Amino acid sequence: QKEVEQNSGPLSVPEGAIASLNCTYSDRGSQSFFWYRQYSGKSPELIMFIYSNGDKEDGRFTAQLNKASQYVSLLIRDSQPSDSATYLCALPGAGSYQLTFGKGTKLSVIP
Amino acid sequence: DAGITQSPRHKVTETGTPVTLRCHQTENHRYMYWYRQDPGHGLRLIHYSYGVKDTDKGEVSDGYSVSRSKTEDFLLTLESATSSQTSVYFCAIGQGASTEAFFGQGTRLTVV
Repeated sequence: QKEVEQNSGPLSVPEGAIASLNCTYSDRGSQSFFWYRQYSGKSPELIMFIYSNGDKEDGRFTAQLNKASQYVSLLIRDSQPSDSATYLCALPGAGSYQLTFGKGTKLSVIP
Repeated sequence: DAGITQSPRHKVTETGTPVTLRCHQTENHRYMYWYRQDPGHGLRLIHYSYGVKDTDKGEVSDGYSVSRSKTEDFLLTLESATSSQTSVYFCAIGQGASTEAFFGQGTRLTVV
């Protein structure tokens, strides 16, 4: 069973600051990683994915993958109150046909 | 929501009754999934399908069955609902291994 660990938070950051969210995983062979955002009462929506070592940037979001240390991070620059949500990390599961999700980190951006 | 519709969106049912949740997609994705989400447990896979009439169990499949008779529809049935099955149920679709999944709006099920 592949495991994905996230700090449940809540993580509170002031508006305009950088929010850093982390996810560790157990399977050293994992190749792809996904970040989802879930607003309260809503469904998860994909915001970032990364397939190789290093960084991937998309607007204010940067995903960083460190395979040697088996963690993936999501950085949110210039955090806005609208970024307040739970962020879920996911990677392909045991059979690779589905995603295994972490329990999520709740982010609160304080105006 | 990437062409995914779940029905019903909300349901209250009594213990011991059968319940069927429906997921309909218009994206022609091969893979379809049912997850449940509970506080403290996150998203857990119930069952998934990798083609018409091809299904397999997930992490928490006990008490649930699924069917997929058409590419676009994936049904989740609670054979005899219990209070422990009170949850939010999400359907998701995807292209396959190591690819992202897209979620429906969710169904909030309460078993009383």
